[in-house]
Amino acid sequence: SQKIEQNSEALNIQEGKTATLTCNYTNYSPAYLQWYRQDPGRGPVFLLLIRENEKEKRKERLKVTFDTTLKQSLFHITASQPADSATYLCALDRSNTGKLIFGQGTTLQVKP
Amino acid sequence: DAGVIQSPRHEVTEMGQEVTLRCKPISGHDYLFWYRQTMMRGLELLIYFNNNVPIDDSGMPEDRFSAKMPNASFSTLKIQPSEPRDSAVYFCASSKSRGTKGNTIYFGEGSWLTVV
Repeated sequence: SQKIEQNSEALNIQEGKTATLTCNYTNYSPAYLQWYRQDPGRGPVFLLLIRENEKEKRKERLKVTFDTTLKQSLFHITASQPADSATYLCALDRSNTGKLIFGQGTTLQVKP
Repeated sequence: DAGVIQSPRHEVTEMGQEVTLRCKPISGHDYLFWYRQTMMRGLELLIYFNNNVPIDDSGMPEDRFSAKMPNASFSTLKIQPSEPRDSAVYFCASSKSRGTKGNTIYFGEGSWLTVV
């Protein structure tokens, strides 16, 4: 069956450091991979999308990599800030319909 | 744009009662999704529509759940009869086809359902 794995344990880092979150998947060939941010009591918010033929995508302090051989995506937040504290969700889309399959999410805590 | 609007934001109901959740997608979006989020199972897709037509309802847990989209600006998710295990946050989301650029979806703030 299809499986998407994100680190279930919370990631705690110091302000100013780079946070790296991992998304691994099996039995899947996604056309697109997306990352979302979710704050407590709120809906997920889109951050970045990367296509299967792209290796890396950047947006301000955010960077996403996509390795279809390893079946893995890495999500980096550089110069992290306490305001970056949230749960980050990885989502896969096989057919460009927006029918996204989500991972369980990783909670990031950035300490001042 | 006001974003995806869901109502009610919070609902507490007794087991066996009918629950109706409502959603207004972003104007101009042609896809609408209903997701459910729980601690145990995370965010699960229940059903999605394209141009008001249900495309995939394979995530709907059982016949007690039904969804409709009578027009481009309104959708409902109904649970009848409700059970305690239906307690979850239900998200509506919408997106606009962007060809090969990939669909990014916009979520509402969710309807928090508690069935007692």
